Amino acid sequence: QKEVEQNSGPLSVPEGAIASLNCTYSDRGSQSFFWYRQYSGKSPELIMFIYSNGDKEDGRFTAQLNKASQYVSLLIRDSQPSDSATYLCAVLPSSGGYNKLIFGAGTRLAVHP
Amino acid sequence: GAGVSQTPSNKVTEKGKYVELRCDPISGHTALYWYRQSLGQGPEFLIYFQGTGAADDSGLPNDRFFAVRPEGSVSTLKIQRTERGDSAVYLCASKETGGAFFGQGTRLTVV
Repeated sequence: QKEVEQNSGPLSVPEGAIASLNCTYSDRGSQSFFWYRQYSGKSPELIMFIYSNGDKEDGRFTAQLNKASQYVSLLIRDSQPSDSATYLCAVLPSSGGYNKLIFGAGTRLAVHP
Repeated sequence: GAGVSQTPSNKVTEKGKYVELRCDPISGHTALYWYRQSLGQGPEFLIYFQGTGAADDSGLPNDRFFAVRPEGSVSTLKIQRTERGDSAVYLCASKETGGAFFGQGTRLTVV
C-alpha cells in the first residue's frame, strides 16, 4: 500500500464549477497535511496546509481533513482555466522520521472554458 | 535570496560521470529536503536535513547518492557513476514552520 494515494485523473471540470480532489494516507498517526499545485514543467507550489479535523478555507480553496477516515481533500470553487495543473497531496507521517514529507503521485486537473 | 535557489537548472552528463547539484535554501530555514521527480510521478523523497545533519536519508536509492549540508545552509547532492536511470528532475525544498517551499529544480539528463 502506498503511503499517500491520489487518483491520477485527469479530472475534467467546466469553468466555474467546483473541483474536488481527494487523497488518502496510510499512517493513522499523521499530523500535518499539505496541498501543492504543480504546473507542467514547473516545481510544486504550496497552496494550503491543514492540521486539524474539519475545513480550512483560503479564498477559492478549501481543505478538508478527516483523520478517522484517513482522508484529506481540496475543493476549488469557481474553477478557472488557470487552475489546470497537477495537484499534489503531501503528508508528514508520525513514524519513520518526524519531518519526512511524503507526496502522492498527484491528480491532474483540467478546467475547460 | 527570497526563495530556494537550485543550480544548475539543467545538467547533461555522460553515463559514469560524477555530478553535483546545489541547493541554496530560504534564509533561516533549518529543514532542507531533496526529492527526485520523474515524468508523471510525484516527488520521491531522497533525504532530509535538520541543520547540518541528515535526519533521514532513507530515500537515497543506493550508495552512489550522497548529500551534505556542512554549514546548515547550502546543500549539495552528489551522484557518482551516473546511470541513465538517474535522469529526472531533482528538487530541493526548505521549511521552517508550515509547508516546504521548493526551488525550480535541476533537470539531470544522463546520456
